[in-house]
Amino acid sequence: DVKVTQSSRYLVKRTGEKVFLECVQDMDHENMFWYRQDPGLGLRLIYFSYDVKMKEKGDIPEGYSVSREKKERFSLILESASTNQTSMYLCASSRTGVGSYEQYFGPGTRLTVT
Amino acid sequence: LAKTTQPISMDSYEGQEVNITCSHNNIATNDYITWYQQFPSQGPRFIIQGYKTKVKNEVASLFIPADRKSSTLSLPRVSLSDTAVYYCLVGDVRTGRRALTFGSGTRLQVQP
Repeated sequence: DVKVTQSSRYLVKRTGEKVFLECVQDMDHENMFWYRQDPGLGLRLIYFSYDVKMKEKGDIPEGYSVSREKKERFSLILESASTNQTSMYLCASSRTGVGSYEQYFGPGTRLTVT
Repeated sequence: LAKTTQPISMDSYEGQEVNITCSHNNIATNDYITWYQQFPSQGPRFIIQGYKTKVKNEVASLFIPADRKSSTLSLPRVSLSDTAVYYCLVGDVRTGRRALTFGSGTRLQVQP
C-alpha cells in the first residue's frame, strides 16, 4: 500500500522561528511536491523536486525553501515563520512515466504561526 | 500550464448521477486531464485520468470531447460519502517534471 507520511499533523510556531516540515514516501517515486491549502484558494504549489538534490519553484515559493538529500525525503523549510504562513501544508509524490500522473498525498500538516 | 475553470459548488441527492464539467480552453497536445477528490482534513485522492474520448473505472467516468477543451466527470448514483471537493487538472504527464496546478475545485454536497 502506497504511503506518504508527514512529520506532524498539527504544529504551532512563533513568528520568526525556523520551521521544518518533513515528508517521506515509501514508493520510490522520483517526484515530490509541497503544496499549501487555504480556504477559497485551493491547493497552491510551493516547490517540487523531480530528483535528488533537484528542485523547482512552484507558484508561491517566496518565504520557503526545500531540501531533497535522499529520494524518499522532501523537506519544506520556513526560514523565518510569519503569520501569513499559517496554513495546511500537503506533501505529495508521483512517479515519472508515460500515461500516469497520479500524485499520492500525505495527511497534511496544519501549521499555525502566532 | 493550461488553466481550468469549474463550478464552485454543486448540490445533489443520493442516488442521482452527478456531472461536473471542467473547461480547459488552452489545453496542449501532450496534456492529460486528471480529476482528484478531497475530503475534509485529508489530502486529495486520484479518481481518474484521460486523454480523449471516454475513460471509465469503478468509481467514475470521464468524458472528453474531440476538441479536448472541456471534460466532464460523471459520478453514478452518488451517496452521502461522495460529498467532497473535486479538482480538475490538466498537464503533461510524460516527464513528471512539470507539476500540475490545482484550482479551487468544485464542492459537491450530496443530500439524503
